[in-house]
Amino acid sequence: GAGVSQSPRYKVTKRGQDVTLRCDPISSHATLYWYQQALGQGPEFLTYFNYEAQPDKSGLPSDRFSAERPEGSISTLTIQRTEQRDSAMYRCASSPGLAGVSDEQFFGPGTRLTVL
Amino acid sequence: QKEVEQDPGPLSVPEGAIVSLNCTYSNSAFQYFMWYRQYSRKGPELLMYTYSSGNKEDGRFTAQVDKSSKYISLFIRDSQPSDSATYLCAMSTGNQFYFGTGTSLTVIP
Repeated sequence: GAGVSQSPRYKVTKRGQDVTLRCDPISSHATLYWYQQALGQGPEFLTYFNYEAQPDKSGLPSDRFSAERPEGSISTLTIQRTEQRDSAMYRCASSPGLAGVSDEQFFGPGTRLTVL
Repeated sequence: QKEVEQDPGPLSVPEGAIVSLNCTYSNSAFQYFMWYRQYSRKGPELLMYTYSSGNKEDGRFTAQVDKSSKYISLFIRDSQPSDSATYLCAMSTGNQFYFGTGTSLTVIP
């Protein structure tokens, strides 16, 4: 089976526009994570889902950021009114077990977002 | 203060050398400790995973955790050019994951 996929791979947008990033986790994986990774830095936790539930949003930088996983599989990360500081690589990871069991996370290739 | 501190390097060693990578942390609630390897333009891949103090060995890689000192290490023996990558430490309370900034390693043939 395929690994974690993300789309688009690259997104260039103008400041003030909304963007939606998509993550397709490995089939049947229970947990899905979103990270923001700046150049030369490690991934920073944004939020996670256990199936469709979103127990922790504490890493989201502001209320302009939101994420969904309505059917417990595909997830989207939406950034409203984008700002230049939102420019980063956004990575998705999935894990077979529920969060709290701390299984291995499988990372996707990321979406490189550039806000002009 | 960041949750996890990691020297970004870069680190350059000759082939066959022993490499030591380290991270320190401040949150005593961390239960799980991981090392990821990230090649250029790729996502991180899990190398080692431990949840207790002590050593864990896997081939040429040894992960060491010292919870009393809040210090973790990754040792790479007989380093190879294919080990050239960025190495990220990561720690978890179970629900949230915190990554270090990554150490860039180059193994020179």
